[in-house]
Order: sequence, then structure tokens, then C-alpha cells
Amino acid sequence: AAGVIQSPRHLIKEKRETATLKCYPIPRHDTVYWYQQGPGQDPQFLISFYEKMQSDKGSIPDRFSAQQFSDYHSELNMSSLELGDSALYFCASSSYTSTQYFGPGTRLTVL
Amino acid sequence: DQQVKQNSPSLSVQEGRISILNCDYTNSMFDYFLWYKKYPAEGPTFLISISSIKDKNEDGRFTVFLNKSAKHLSLHIVPSQPGDSAVYFCAASARAGGTSYGKLTFGQGTILTVHP
Repeated sequence: AAGVIQSPRHLIKEKRETATLKCYPIPRHDTVYWYQQGPGQDPQFLISFYEKMQSDKGSIPDRFSAQQFSDYHSELNMSSLELGDSALYFCASSSYTSTQYFGPGTRLTVL
Repeated sequence: DQQVKQNSPSLSVQEGRISILNCDYTNSMFDYFLWYKKYPAEGPTFLISISSIKDKNEDGRFTVFLNKSAKHLSLHIVPSQPGDSAVYFCAASARAGGTSYGKLTFGQGTILTVHP
């Protein structure tokens, strides 16, 4: 069965640079969620989109923005990167009433 | 404020025995609970879920029990297998509106090791 696709899988950036993470949900899933997992921590909710509209917002820094496109894929844009942004970033997708299924994650390292 | 807590950072079990992972929550608005299994450098894999209208849900070797009055849930794995060794996360959700379940709040995870 098709799963959530995330790209890139690994990303290395310098401080103050910009990064873009992409998420392709499971076909026919209309909701996308972004989570951040720091070292030794549990995943923390950042933001979600339903039918291309922002549906909920968590502890997402103002330096981050995200959107969901007409084909339901989503992008997380991160600017002015800081060392503390180094983490695993997971995308999950669901249909409106279903369980969230997670992608493999993007490991972001900020040097 | 940790709204979902897994108080046991690790659990070690012999192959063939039962593994019991526990989870407590504080937010009364949570009405949907899930367990995910996670290997290093991979995304969480969905295992089993339970709605607050039930107190038990089974899927093969996995059973989740929910005690709403105690705000406690547990995952039972019987029999445990070495391939079950991973980090197990408990997660909870509250309906965001309509029938959507909304964002997940995770516990800290429990590292399960199943010895052959």
C-alpha cells in the first residue's frame, strides 16, 4: 500500500539558511500534519492542513511557514535556521475521520 | 505540561511472555487513543487505536485497554517476539470539530526490548 512520502530524507544546512521540507500524503488523504521530534523527545505537533486550509497550529516558530497545495502535498518552509531546529520532522496524513499515518521523516541538521 | 505520560522509559521482556506498556493522560477532552511503534530514524508506525466509547480493542497479538475513570491505557503484546523490540509511543487526540480527530499529543515513549 502507498505510504506517506517525505523528501529529502536528510538535510544539512548552515545557521541562518532556509530549508524546505516536502510531504506527499497517502492517496485520497485530505489532511496533513507536521511534527517535530528533537533528540530524546516525543514528537511535537507543529501545524496541520485540511483541504488546503490551515486547520490547527501548535508550537511552530514564526520563522516557519507551511502550506498544502491543490494536489494535497504540503511543504514546510523554515527560514533563519537555528541550531535548535536540528530535529526529525515528520509528516502524517489522514482522511477526515481516520488514523494518522506517518512518513519516514526528514532529518534536519543545522551546523 | 506533559498531558500524556509514559512513566516507564524502558521495559525488558522474555520472548513468548506478555509485554505490558502503560500510559496515563490528564486532558479529559482526549477521546481517541493510539499506539505507535518506532524504530530509530524511521517514522512512527501505527499499531492499534481505541475510541473513548470502548474499553478494549484487539488486533492479533496486540490489545489496548482503556480505563477512562483512571485516565489510563495500556498496550498488551502477547506473545512478545524479538521483532517487537522498538520504542512504543502512546498518543491521544481530541475531536477538532465535526468528526475530525485532530493533532496528536504523544507520550515520551517506552523502549521495549524482547530477549530471545
